[in-house]
Amino acid sequence: DAGITQSPRHKVTETGTPVTLRCHQTENHRYMYWYRQDPGHGLRLIHYSYGVKDTDKGEVSDGYSVSRSKTEDFLLTLESATSSQTSVYFCATSTGDSNQPQHFGDGTRLSIL
Amino acid sequence: GQNIDQPTEMTATEGAIVQINCTYQTSGFNGLFWYQQHAGEAPTFLSYNVLDGLEEKGRFSSFLSRSKGYSYLLLKELQMKDSASYLCAVTGSGGSYIPTFGRGTSLIVHP
Repeated sequence: DAGITQSPRHKVTETGTPVTLRCHQTENHRYMYWYRQDPGHGLRLIHYSYGVKDTDKGEVSDGYSVSRSKTEDFLLTLESATSSQTSVYFCATSTGDSNQPQHFGDGTRLSIL
Repeated sequence: GQNIDQPTEMTATEGAIVQINCTYQTSGFNGLFWYQQHAGEAPTFLSYNVLDGLEEKGRFSSFLSRSKGYSYLLLKELQMKDSASYLCAVTGSGGSYIPTFGRGTSLIVHP
């Protein structure tokens, strides 16, 4: 597979604390994505990156920021976590070619109390 | 924008055939992906359709009609391990192929 590692895999934290999730890939894919997955909503795009330092917002970007300082790493930050951000977060990568699928990491289960 | 519709849940019997539909309305269309996601796991790629017609891959086939904004995933000879969510994702035209996902169809296969 695309060699995508998400860390941490599980995290429990309190409202108002900052949280950073990391996605690391070994396949040199140009595009990287952060999704959240909630019951009844499917996968919703938070932010994506199309190159180092090149990022753009998805449909549910409020309350989240991202950074990509290296091709391999894409960080998702919740500056001040809220209970509504409790979710499963998936990182994905792709080459960016129209006929190429996304490859997903194993997900991070984040609970905000 | 893009609107993608799939049934929420389906049930079927082991050994049977099941068809999971996906309809979409998009401002531009490039292609359609199907992914499988087992509970607690990551989505994995099943198929890609860009032209009208049927793409067959073993027990799984996927069909696309661009004029009707319609696709289906056909699973034959169902096995218990096919119990999973099936996600339909559409990519738009215009050079940035960022997919939009439907909410997924949860398939339960009974013995």
